[in-house]
Amino acid sequence: TQLLEQSPQFLSIQEGENLTVYCNSSSVFSSLQWYRQEPGEGPVLLVTVVTGGEVKKLKRLTFQFGDARKDSSLHITAAQPGDTGLYLCAGETGANNLFFGTGTRLTVIP
Amino acid sequence: KAGVTQTPRYLIKTRGQQVTLSCSPISGHRSVSWYQQTPGQGLQFLFEYFSETQRNKGNFPGRFSGRQFSNSRSEMNVSTLELGDSALYLCASSPGQGAPIYGYTFGSGTRLTVV
Repeated sequence: TQLLEQSPQFLSIQEGENLTVYCNSSSVFSSLQWYRQEPGEGPVLLVTVVTGGEVKKLKRLTFQFGDARKDSSLHITAAQPGDTGLYLCAGETGANNLFFGTGTRLTVIP
Repeated sequence: KAGVTQTPRYLIKTRGQQVTLSCSPISGHRSVSWYQQTPGQGLQFLFEYFSETQRNKGNFPGRFSGRQFSNSRSEMNVSTLELGDSALYLCASSPGQGAPIYGYTFGSGTRLTVV
């Protein structure tokens, strides 16, 4: 069973601060995706990383896929209240299903 | 284009009953996956359908079943409901060709409460 551990589990920061969320596994994934989920809604895809060592930037969000394709990180610069939500990483093995991480619940305080 | 539509949004059922949930994927998407989300277990994969065939199945009991129709719409059924089946059930749509590196588009989910 592929297990994706995210840390921290909960994070509460002030607006304007920076933060990093980690997603770690002992399994190798062919791609890794990051989603954000808000209460009462389904997860929304933020990014997909495919190549080991790949770095993708999406405005204030920076995503990195580990060289060995077993881990990933999400860095948010100058967090805003609109960034509040549940952040989920998900690994894809090529078997047409995703293994989701344990989630990081982020609260950005104005 | 329209997103993924799940119906109903909320459902309350009694233990022992059965329930059917529906999912309409994005037009043109042929793959539909189902996930169960609970506070304790997070998001867990139930099964995935592509062109009316189940391609992959998670580790859930046989009380959980699904199907996909020729128009790609999918239903999942849970029989003999248990209190532990209370969860948010999410449907995800993708083109389905090859590895889903394009990502999945999720519906808003059906919140099932078993009493």
